[in-house]
Amino acid sequence: SQQGEEDPQALSIQEGENATMNCSYKTSINNLQWYRQNSGRGLVHLILIRSNEREKHSGRLRVTLDTSKKSSSLLITASRAADTASYFCAMNSGYSTLTFGKGTMLLVSP
Amino acid sequence: EAQVTQNPRYLITVTGKKLTVTCSQNMNHEYMSWYRQDPGLGLRQIYYSMNVEVTDKGDVPEGYKVSRKEKRNFPLILESPSPNQTSLYFCASSPRDRGETQYFGPGTRLLVL
Repeated sequence: SQQGEEDPQALSIQEGENATMNCSYKTSINNLQWYRQNSGRGLVHLILIRSNEREKHSGRLRVTLDTSKKSSSLLITASRAADTASYFCAMNSGYSTLTFGKGTMLLVSP
Repeated sequence: EAQVTQNPRYLITVTGKKLTVTCSQNMNHEYMSWYRQDPGLGLRQIYYSMNVEVTDKGDVPEGYKVSRKEKRNFPLILESPSPNQTSLYFCASSPRDRGETQYFGPGTRLLVL
């Protein structure tokens, strides 16, 4: 079955630094999505990247997708304390359910 | 405001006492689903619904029931809750199917004693 693995599990940086999170998956996908979750709250969608796309940007977010390596990365540039949250990748593989990874906890210190 | 609402937000109950967690969306979405989130296990899908009167099992459906009588509502029913159903539950919806952006509710934290 499709499983996602985020790396690292936890990341601690200073404000202004860039944060990079990676996601690897096992089977082919239609699209891959990134979500953010503030402590115990609902997930908020950040970016969706389709299997035929290699890179997408949204504000300070940059997502890349390498289908040959079955991996994606989320880059947050010039991070802020308000970026502190957990970040999840979610893989859509056609008729299977949308499968979430276990998340990366990001702590941005002022 | 476009949103997914869940009630209650917090619930403490005892083993075997039937409960229902309601979910409602005001975006006219066809697809709705329920997830549970547990430490170390991430989010796992319980049930989903492609449209009214169409529901299907996700990855962890045991011990749960759902219904979709109206497009906007998708309640989660625990007929006989057990302690292993203690978890954080999320309802989500999307315009047509699971491949699209999911809009999540605020979550329901359930403790089964």
